[in-house]
Amino acid sequence: AQTVTQSQPEMSVQEAETVTLSCTYDTSENNYYLFWYKQPPSRQMILVIRQEAYKQQNATENRFSVNFQKAAKSFSLKISDSQLGDTAMYFCASSNTGNQFYFGTGTSLTVIP
Amino acid sequence: DVKVTQSSRYLVKRTGEKVFLECVQDMDHENMFWYRQDPGLGLRLIYFSYDVKMKEKGDIPEGYSVSREKKERFSLILESASTNQTSMYLCASSPYDLYNEQFFGPGTRLTVL
Repeated sequence: AQTVTQSQPEMSVQEAETVTLSCTYDTSENNYYLFWYKQPPSRQMILVIRQEAYKQQNATENRFSVNFQKAAKSFSLKISDSQLGDTAMYFCASSNTGNQFYFGTGTSLTVIP
Repeated sequence: DVKVTQSSRYLVKRTGEKVFLECVQDMDHENMFWYRQDPGLGLRLIYFSYDVKMKEKGDIPEGYSVSREKKERFSLILESASTNQTSMYLCASSPYDLYNEQFFGPGTRLTVL
């Protein structure tokens, strides 16, 4: 089984600043995907960004980007120009050929006005 | 857009009751999943299904069963609810290609008294 570790239970950032959420994972698979999901308060979980393990280039989606370090098994999420709407629980996840997703314990991010 | 719906947002049941949580997706996805979400523990997989009438145990199947009679519907059953099953339950679906994202329902917050 894979494990995904998020070591920051809570974080805060000033509006318009940049914040980085950490994630490490452990897998013996060669092919896998990594994901960051966002769960706003009392709202549905949605995908923020996805990274294919075989791709060297870090994924980017507007203000969201990842720093994927395959050898270190690290997958951090950087949020630039933080907005109040970014306040949410963020989950790191991985998937593999076993048809399962593995989620971290989450990081609660608060954007301070 | 993919839509995953769950039968109830909030549910209160008594210890020993049989509880049914229903999940429906409208995008013809092969895979469907049931998770429970608890603070500090992240999302833990209870069961998943990759086809009609097929099911696989996840990490915490004890005390739960599932049913998938139709492709679009995946039910979670608590045979005899207990207080330690008080939690948020999330349903998700994804296409067969597991490298695709999972799409989540809004969740059911179950309280067992």
